[in-house]
Amino acid sequence: SQKIEQNSEALNIQEGKTATLTCNYTNYSPAYLQWYRQDPGRGPVFLLLIRENEKEKRKERLKVTFDTTLKQSLFHITASQPADSATYLCALDTGRRALTFGSGTRLQVQP
Amino acid sequence: SAVISQKPSRDICQRGTSLTIQCQVDSQVTMMFWYRQQPGQSLTLIATANQGSEATYESGFVIDKFPISRPNLTFSTLTVSNMSPEDSSIYLCSVEGADTQYFGPGTRLTVL
Repeated sequence: SQKIEQNSEALNIQEGKTATLTCNYTNYSPAYLQWYRQDPGRGPVFLLLIRENEKEKRKERLKVTFDTTLKQSLFHITASQPADSATYLCALDTGRRALTFGSGTRLQVQP
Repeated sequence: SAVISQKPSRDICQRGTSLTIQCQVDSQVTMMFWYRQQPGQSLTLIATANQGSEATYESGFVIDKFPISRPNLTFSTLTVSNMSPEDSSIYLCSVEGADTQYFGPGTRLTVL
């Protein structure tokens, strides 16, 4: 069956450290993968997209990698801040234009 | 970018009643999507709504329970019918952008 899994329910790190979130998928061959941020009581907000032929993409303090052999994406936030505390969702294109979302990882950055 | 508004933002409803959620977009879009987010869970696609045609429902969701209207290119409604406590969720609409999707703020539904 098709599955998208994100690491652990919650990730707690100290301010200034790098947060690394994982997204693993099985039985998909996505043309691209996206990462979203969701704050409590709000809809998801798009952060980054990485295509199947891209290994890495950066945007300010964010970095995403995409390994189609391992079927894994890593999402890094460098120099993390308490304001980065949120739930982060990975989402795959599954050829239907709508997205299929992972379970999400809740990140808590401690000051 | 697209700005999406939803009404109501939240509601508390009695078992057996129905609620219609409205989604308004500030630009014309071909496809609109309705998602459900149950407490502590991720988003699950309910259906895709194209203007001028019947909505396409995902496995586990049926038109009788979640009828959708799409009268024009900027507006859609989702009705949650004959509600039960299991329908308590956040309901979100979204639209496609360039390599992204834009989401509304969601409607938080509690069914007693």
